Amino acid sequence: EVVLVQSGAEVRKPGTSMKISCKTSGYTFTDYYIHWVRQAPGKGLEWMGFIFPQNGETVYSEKLQGRVTLTADTSADTAFMDLTSLKSDDAALYYCATGDRFLKFFWGPGTLVTVSS
Amino acid sequence: EVVLTQSPGTLSLSPGDGATLSCGTSQTLRSVDIAWYQQKPGQSPRLLIYSSSIRATGIPDKFSGSGSGTDFTLTISRLEPEDFAVYYCQQSGSSPYTFGQGTKLEIK
Repeated sequence: EVVLVQSGAEVRKPGTSMKISCKTSGYTFTDYYIHWVRQAPGKGLEWMGFIFPQNGETVYSEKLQGRVTLTADTSADTAFMDLTSLKSDDAALYYCATGDRFLKFFWGPGTLVTVSS
Repeated sequence: EVVLTQSPGTLSLSPGDGATLSCGTSQTLRSVDIAWYQQKPGQSPRLLIYSSSIRATGIPDKFSGSGSGTDFTLTISRLEPEDFAVYYCQQSGSSPYTFGQGTKLEIK
């Protein structure tokens, strides 16, 4: 059974950074992509980017380019999402999901991020 | 950036009805570029359809997808209470891989 476990809720001040983890199990971590998608309260889904753990390839949304970094620890089957220079509109539920280059077959439960001074 | 426009924003129907959800794209896309996701309240999204018309594993045949070019459709037959949710289309034709704003399917 594929399971994605995400780190707990975060509360950050504007201008600071955060790092969310996504621990996977039930499949070969290096065979599939890890996508990150966020959802602001009451809003729709926003694709942020993906990483292919096998070779470290990353593709980021241009909107977040320069502020987001995706990494993967293949020894721990865990992916990470770093977001810097946080703003109020970064407050959202952040999902990791695994799948192929484009599709997201299995999703994590989400990590709630609050940005407030 | 490819913009996806879903219509209607909200669809009010009764159990047993059929539903037709639309996704229009700002650029011509290949059929393989469109996927549909379902999100129930308080839950993570779930992949329903990919390549416009292929059902994901475990998805019942009451869900079907179609379309080409700039117009894509998700059809749901014989609505059941568990089908009332928000549905998103997503394109993978060019980065950023944008989602539509969603169609909320609610019980009438």
